[in-house]
Amino acid sequence: RKEVEQDPGPFNVPEGATVAFNCTYSNSASQSFFWYRQDCRKEPKLLMSVYSSGNEDGRFTAQLNRASQYISLLIRDSKLSDSATYLCVGPNSGYALNFGKGTSLLVTP
Amino acid sequence: DVKVTQSSRYLVKRTGEKVFLECVQDMDHENMFWYRQDPGLGLRLIYFSYDVKMKEKGDIPEGYSVSREKKERFSLILESASTNQTSMYLCASSLYPLYEQYFGPGTRLTVT
Repeated sequence: RKEVEQDPGPFNVPEGATVAFNCTYSNSASQSFFWYRQDCRKEPKLLMSVYSSGNEDGRFTAQLNRASQYISLLIRDSKLSDSATYLCVGPNSGYALNFGKGTSLLVTP
Repeated sequence: DVKVTQSSRYLVKRTGEKVFLECVQDMDHENMFWYRQDPGLGLRLIYFSYDVKMKEKGDIPEGYSVSREKKERFSLILESASTNQTSMYLCASSLYPLYEQYFGPGTRLTVT
């Protein structure tokens, strides 16, 4: 049973577009959520934490919907450099985080 | 800035060899983790440690062991490498168990 699920994509969007990813989680007691970005053949890097009240950082907005048990990532005004895999992360039932398999984004000129 | 380093970026070993992967973090983090990442399977947790000399099995510990003698260093050991252990190995650390994790650059291990 995978505790964090996300659409693998790929999402192909033109520059300047707005794109949104969702990620569902199964552990209703979860408190910690994050979005990571991973470039090809590189390590995952923290993009942003997801707070109950939502979180915005420039063009990126993360939101948590506890009732439906999903988190979302919205990217506005997409740039070519946003092309990457985005990993959704939530806690498992123990002391470790659970990483989704990632959603691939390709921003085209 | 948190810095997590791994001993090798690329490693080629033969079947049956004992392999050591080293990870060092410089932020005095209590928690350290070892993952492997394979195409289509995502990140899978092998072992983690929440204190010196403490270790916990993750989702796929078979064929691996770990050592944490000092707070900043967490080693992954492949007792007898097999071809199905060819993978990207990623080390991470965090201040608290469910806080954000910071990753090293990864070791791409090939077992022939």
